[in-house]
Amino acid sequence: EADIYQTPRYLVIGTGKKITLECSQTMGHDKMYWYQQDPGMELHLIHYSYGVNSTEKGDLSSESTVSRIRTEHFPLTLESARPSHTSQYLCASSIGPTYNSPLHFGNGTRLTVT
Amino acid sequence: AQKVTQAQTEISVVEKEDVTLDCVYETRDTTYYLFWYKQPPSGELVFLIRRNSFDEQNEISGRYSWNFQKSTSSFNFTITASQVVDSAVYFCALDEFKAAGNKLTFGGGTRVLVKP
Repeated sequence: EADIYQTPRYLVIGTGKKITLECSQTMGHDKMYWYQQDPGMELHLIHYSYGVNSTEKGDLSSESTVSRIRTEHFPLTLESARPSHTSQYLCASSIGPTYNSPLHFGNGTRLTVT
Repeated sequence: AQKVTQAQTEISVVEKEDVTLDCVYETRDTTYYLFWYKQPPSGELVFLIRRNSFDEQNEISGRYSWNFQKSTSSFNFTITASQVVDSAVYFCALDEFKAAGNKLTFGGGTRVLVKP
């Protein structure tokens, strides 16, 4: 039973299009994260949020932006998609700090930009 | 800076064989936390275990066991009597104790393929 949902599951889109990847969780977690997973499997943190109206950039620089208007919703937006954005994007949440609380992950969105 | 290295990119075994996944970490902190996550073909990462730096006791959970050795900065994971359902990518991760709690660093992952 999934408590964190990502849509769409797969997305193929042309260069220059604006896209929004959706992420919602029903656990009431304050902390949410976006990871980018490249084909070599490595996971890189690109955005995180401590709560409503809080967003921070992660370790890997990303042209995407995020917003956190509601606790349960943490969408990621690319204003102009490029082939270099082709990757898998994983959303996660935790009840507390990551050292103390396991991350709960969604199934991911596999994005292909042609 | 913290770093996690999983030297094995892919391991292929036949069902019922044991498989050990290596994880070596680097950190300057004395207080830190280590994790293992499993990523099955469905895509989501699933939490398996969390260990803090003060607890070097090895742990066993069913067919899974973990060997934490601070002296060698390693946190290895063994699957005993592997099954096809164990086929997945396994990630080791490290988090240093910080008030912000957002610095979870993942290793590169090890893909395990269990053949029937």
